[in-house]
Amino acid sequence: GESVGLHLPTLSVQEGDNSIINCAYSNSASDYFIWYKQESGKGPQFIIDIRSNMDKRQGQRVTVLLNKTVKHLSLQIAATQPGDSAVYFCAEKLTGGGNKLTFGTGTQLKVEL
Amino acid sequence: ETGVTQSPTHLIKTRGQQVTLRCSSQSGHNTVSWYQQALGQGPQFIFQYYREEENGRGNFPPRFSGLQFPNYSSELNVNALELDDSALYLCASSRNSAGGRNEQFFGPGTRLTVL
Repeated sequence: GESVGLHLPTLSVQEGDNSIINCAYSNSASDYFIWYKQESGKGPQFIIDIRSNMDKRQGQRVTVLLNKTVKHLSLQIAATQPGDSAVYFCAEKLTGGGNKLTFGTGTQLKVEL
Repeated sequence: ETGVTQSPTHLIKTRGQQVTLRCSSQSGHNTVSWYQQALGQGPQFIFQYYREEENGRGNFPPRFSGLQFPNYSSELNVNALELDDSALYLCASSRNSAGGRNEQFFGPGTRLTVL
């Protein structure tokens, strides 16, 4: 069935270090995987997405890796900053599923000074 | 900011009452999706509206209904409120295109508390 889950509920990193947030998914029928950042009291904010026919995509300070063999998705944040502290969700958009997004539970990223 | 607005920001209702939440989509967007986010959980898809019609629904009972207006704004209505309906309700707008990314932009949400 559809499920997108995260390995770690909380991740603490030192400012300036790199962060890696992981996500496992079970449904192979998806065309996009998306990472969202949600700060307290706000709606999810789009960070980066990757199409299912790609294995890597880079943005500004962020990289998403997709391993379809093991159904694993990761978000790498370089030089983590205090402003990166938030809950991060992975989501998948199923092929033919319209715009429906299936979200995981989320990982709380805490950046320590 | 995403250009998606929602009202009200907070709402308190009692069990059995009805509630209407509103969403204004980003300019140029024709599709609105609604999500329910319980505390500590990821958003759960309720339904989507495209061209004023429901176009996809998640695992929510019929007492969750919606509307989309010609200007693409939308309403979410919940009847016979239950305690478990307490959550953050998120609206997301997008420009629908077949096979496209259809990137969704979320509003800040409406925090509904049912007592």
